[in-house]
Amino acid sequence: AQRVTQPEKLLSVFKGAPVELKCNYSYSGSPELFWYVQYSRQRLQLLLRHISRESIKGFTADLNKGETSFHLKKPFAQEEDSAMYYCALTVYNTDKLIFGTGTRLQVFP
Amino acid sequence: DAGVTQSPTHLIKTRGQQVTLRCSPKSGHDTVSWYQQALGQGPQFIFQYYEEEERQRGNFPDRFSGHQFPNYSSELNVNALLLGDSALYLCASSLGQRNTEAFFGQGTRLTVV
Repeated sequence: AQRVTQPEKLLSVFKGAPVELKCNYSYSGSPELFWYVQYSRQRLQLLLRHISRESIKGFTADLNKGETSFHLKKPFAQEEDSAMYYCALTVYNTDKLIFGTGTRLQVFP
Repeated sequence: DAGVTQSPTHLIKTRGQQVTLRCSPKSGHDTVSWYQQALGQGPQFIFQYYEEEERQRGNFPDRFSGHQFPNYSSELNVNALLLGDSALYLCASSLGQRNTEAFFGQGTRLTVV
């Protein structure tokens, strides 16, 4: 069965510190991986997807098929990065998104 | 473009009642997906509608049903409400092709008492 695991419910860092939000997945085929973000009082929105290999707002994520991981990283956290982050995958040839339980990132000044 | 809009924003229902939630997709989008997000959990896929038909379905009972109209808007219906149906219900729209970006609405908070 497909599954996404985000082991940390809460991650707290100080401004300027590096951030790594962990995501592991379980899927036998070739998944497409995403990171979605929800800022306070805003709707869920796409942050980045692995096939685009972009850096959005300084965040990057590399798909590691050997470790079945898709960790989200940023070298220097900003206060405006404080939000709820969800890792998700879609099964090949479908649009069904399977989400993890999310990690709340708190960045202190 | 207002993006994905959902109505109502909040509602309270009694156990056993029926509820209908509504979603208007982002302009130009033809596919609507529904998700249930319980407190402290990630969104869970309920089903997806495309060309007025249910294209995919998650692991939800038949009490959950939906509809898509010719203008691509959609409804989610839940019959015989249970306390456990209390959750945030999210609608997401996308363009028909597979794996295009999904845009989410603000959600409808359903409380069953």
